[in-house]
Amino acid sequence: GAVVSQHPSWVICKSGTSVKIECRSLDFQATTMFWYRQFPKQSLMLMATSNEGSKATYEQGVEKDKFLINHASLTLSTLTVTSAHPEDSSFYICSARSLAGARGYEQYFGPGTRLTVT
Amino acid sequence: GDSVTQMEGPVTLSEEAFLTINCTYTATGYPSLFWYVQYPGEGLQLLLKATKADDKGSNKGFEATYRKETTSFHLEKGSVQVSDSAVYFCALSDQIAAGANSKLTFGKGITLSVRP
Repeated sequence: GAVVSQHPSWVICKSGTSVKIECRSLDFQATTMFWYRQFPKQSLMLMATSNEGSKATYEQGVEKDKFLINHASLTLSTLTVTSAHPEDSSFYICSARSLAGARGYEQYFGPGTRLTVT
Repeated sequence: GDSVTQMEGPVTLSEEAFLTINCTYTATGYPSLFWYVQYPGEGLQLLLKATKADDKGSNKGFEATYRKETTSFHLEKGSVQVSDSAVYFCALSDQIAAGANSKLTFGKGITLSVRP
């Protein structure tokens, strides 16, 4: 149980285009989802927190117009990187959390999406 | 702000060796502390956690004790296996018991490779 999937697992796009990454909680309802970015040999950096049906809360320094987050349902959140540039190339990881039942407040992580912008 | 510092890696050990991975933290208040493990091709998984000082988290032979006086949460295992090869992340949450408004702050992670 508590499986979170991400799609795609890797994507290559051209500079200037937009790319959408999906994060799904497969066997539970995620009231909150988190998006992280990980650079090589660096820790996971929280980009934003989204609650179902609400606007995402972005961390300081993260451009909300560039990294669009939508949490339209209790099992799906999407991150859209708009007008991608090579410096946006990174490993993007989502996590999901349910406040209900035995799962408590634990975050469950997806396997990540490798984005390469050429 | 909150921060987590992990020892530099990577770490390579022979099977059945003793493992220690150091982790220290800086935080205001009373954070909860976590170790996550990431196996190749998989997402991060919670390995163990501790929510207050002197608590010991344990799982799969791994242990870590919440030391408030030294602000540390070192991960240990008495005898590692090849299957323990993974990336290990130390993390803290900014509210006790990882409550509804908490966020996780991660260390850089360390890669452990265990040789047969």
